[in-house]
Amino acid sequence: DTAVSQTPKYLVTQMGNDKSIKCEQNLGHDTMYWYKQDSKKFLKIMFSYNNKELIINETVPNRFSPKSPDKAHLNLHINSLELGDSAVYFCASSQDVEGTYNEQFFGPGTRLTVL
Amino acid sequence: GENVEQHPSTLSVQEGDSAVIKCTYSDSASNYFPWYKQELGKGPQLIIDIRSNVGEKKDQRIAVTLNKTAKHFSLHITETQPEDSAVYFCAASIGYALNFGKGTSLLVTP
Repeated sequence: DTAVSQTPKYLVTQMGNDKSIKCEQNLGHDTMYWYKQDSKKFLKIMFSYNNKELIINETVPNRFSPKSPDKAHLNLHINSLELGDSAVYFCASSQDVEGTYNEQFFGPGTRLTVL
Repeated sequence: GENVEQHPSTLSVQEGDSAVIKCTYSDSASNYFPWYKQELGKGPQLIIDIRSNVGEKKDQRIAVTLNKTAKHFSLHITETQPEDSAVYFCAASIGYALNFGKGTSLLVTP
């Protein structure tokens, strides 16, 4: 059984388009995350939701909007795509409370290419 | 915010040798230090972690050490095998977010 799944795995699109990436976890976790991995493999947190509430919102352009319809899903919508948005986007989840340990489980990633 | 430095960026060892990857962190409040392995085309996978109240932890061929005073932690892999070849990331955490190092590309040659 897949613990954290993302769709699509690959996404190729033109500049200016709007696209969404979906994430689901079946681990029963309360917290979900989006990370961006750039071409140099650097992983950086973008957002985190705990029980459908936004708890981390790093310096990310307003064109990126996360949506959590329930605690098992965290989707990422990107408006007006730019060349610099090309990266691999990872969803992750954890069962934790702030201040305790934070073992995160990652999805397989979505490779976004903006042409 | 937390800044995590990781060295080396690339590491090549012969099968059977040991590999050591080192990380330093800046925020003394960080209390959780995981290590992730990322194979080509896959998401990062947790291989070992250590909490701030522990100095060393071992799991078969993998060990991690933490020096809170110096704010550095290290990953040790003994008896390396070709399947250990991957990118390894250290991270430091206060609360929810993981702050990652820039990764070490490990190559184990037969």
